[in-house]
Amino acid sequence: DAKTTQPNSMESNEEEPVHLPCNHSTISGTDYIHWYRQLPSQGPEYVIHGLTSNVNNRMASLAIAEDRKSSTLILHRATLRDAAVYYCTLGGSQGNLIFGKGTKLSVKP
Amino acid sequence: NAGVMQNPRHLVRRRGQEARLRCSPMKGHSHVYWYRQLPEEGLKFMVYLQKENIIDESGMPKERFSAEFPKEGPSILRIQQVVRGDSAAYFCASSPPGRTKETQYFGPGTRLLVL
Repeated sequence: DAKTTQPNSMESNEEEPVHLPCNHSTISGTDYIHWYRQLPSQGPEYVIHGLTSNVNNRMASLAIAEDRKSSTLILHRATLRDAAVYYCTLGGSQGNLIFGKGTKLSVKP
Repeated sequence: NAGVMQNPRHLVRRRGQEARLRCSPMKGHSHVYWYRQLPEEGLKFMVYLQKENIIDESGMPKERFSAEFPKEGPSILRIQQVVRGDSAAYFCASSPPGRTKETQYFGPGTRLLVL
C-alpha cells in the first residue's frame, strides 16, 4: 500500500493562505488522494479528494502534480477554526485509507 | 441525513473485561471501516466490512479482536479480555456501495480506557 509524507507541523497567520504539501511517490494509477482534518477529540472530517485534476470546493482547493507523486492542499484564508491536524491519505487495496501522522496546523490571530 | 454514529463515546473497562463498540453507518451506506488511533498517532486501519461479510481484516490483531456487521443493526467491534495497550480512540467510517475508493465519512469515535 502506498504511503504519504507530510511535514509534522506548520504555522499560518489568520486570513492568510496556507499550502499544505504531501508527497506520495508510490501512488498507483487508481489511488484517489484524500485530505481529512481532525480537531482534538473529534473524528476525521472530510476536506477534499481528487484523482488527477485539481479540485475546488467550499472548504479548500487541491492541487495535484502532473505525475501525481505529490499534492498540495490550499486553504485560501486560514481562520482560527482551521487549526487541526491535516491528513493526506491514499486508498489501500480494499479501499481502506492509509493515514500518516499528518501535519499539525497552527493559526495565529 | 444523520452522520455516522458511534456509541458509547467513552468506555472504561478493567483489564480482562470485554469491550463492545457500536457503529451505525450513514443511511444508505453499506461499507464500514474500523480504525484505531493511539495518542499522538495517525489512524490505523483495522477491518473493512460489508453487510454480513468481512472483506479485509488485515489490520486486526490476531487474538481478542473481532468485528461484525449484521444484516440488521450496527457494526460491532468486540475486544475480549482487554489490556492496557488497547486504550485508544476507535473510529468507524462508512461509504456508499460501489464507491470503495472514494470518500469515507467518520464517526466521532469511542475512547476506550483500560484501567
